[in-house]
Amino acid sequence: DGGITQSPKYLFRKEGQNVTLSCEQNLNHDAMYWYRQDPGQGLRLIYYSQIVNDFQKGDIAEGYSVSREKKESFPLTVTSAQKNPTAFYLCASSIRRGRGRTGANVLTFGAGSRLTVL
Amino acid sequence: AQSVTQLGSHVSVSEGALVLLRCNYSSSVPPYLFWYVQYPNQGLQLLLKYTTGATLVKGINGFEAEFKKSETSFHLTKPSAHMSDAAEYFCAVSDLGIVQGAQKLVFGQGTRLTINP
Repeated sequence: DGGITQSPKYLFRKEGQNVTLSCEQNLNHDAMYWYRQDPGQGLRLIYYSQIVNDFQKGDIAEGYSVSREKKESFPLTVTSAQKNPTAFYLCASSIRRGRGRTGANVLTFGAGSRLTVL
Repeated sequence: AQSVTQLGSHVSVSEGALVLLRCNYSSSVPPYLFWYVQYPNQGLQLLLKYTTGATLVKGINGFEAEFKKSETSFHLTKPSAHMSDAAEYFCAVSDLGIVQGAQKLVFGQGTRLTINP
């Protein structure tokens, strides 16, 4: 079955450590996204990538980094510079929307990774 | 820039009662609108979407939503609540006009729906 796999599901980290969250998709989607979810704040966009070897900052990119070396993979690194990293992280993917208003591309989400900083 | 406001962070209804979750948006371009559902410790699942055409949109699990441009609203309803509907619901608006590329979404704060037996 096609889908998005995020790992690990739960992760604990000490302050000052970097940690990388994995996101793999087999949907043949070009675009991938990372969102952060905090209680009462909805989802906020960290980074997104429209195509391999390209990525753009979202609304809250500070303290995070990403890479997109393969179409299937979009790992997120939470660095020690992120002031409040404890959160639920969601990866998503979609096809690239064609030129013009040809319809909305639905985002498919992974099951999430919960990061707790001790 | 687009934004979404969901009225009520928590909504509680009895089983069999009407479910109404409110969503208002702001957008400088005709919007694409979405409702997603999230069960505990899981990702988001699409309930329904509005792009163009018919303003009453039907989704999965008996949910529907109506796009009202004059009220900038996209409220989610279900005639009869079921215990399995208990979850968190997110309204979202697309953040792109006619630019080719990724489908960035702006999400509301979420509404947690509780169903009472």
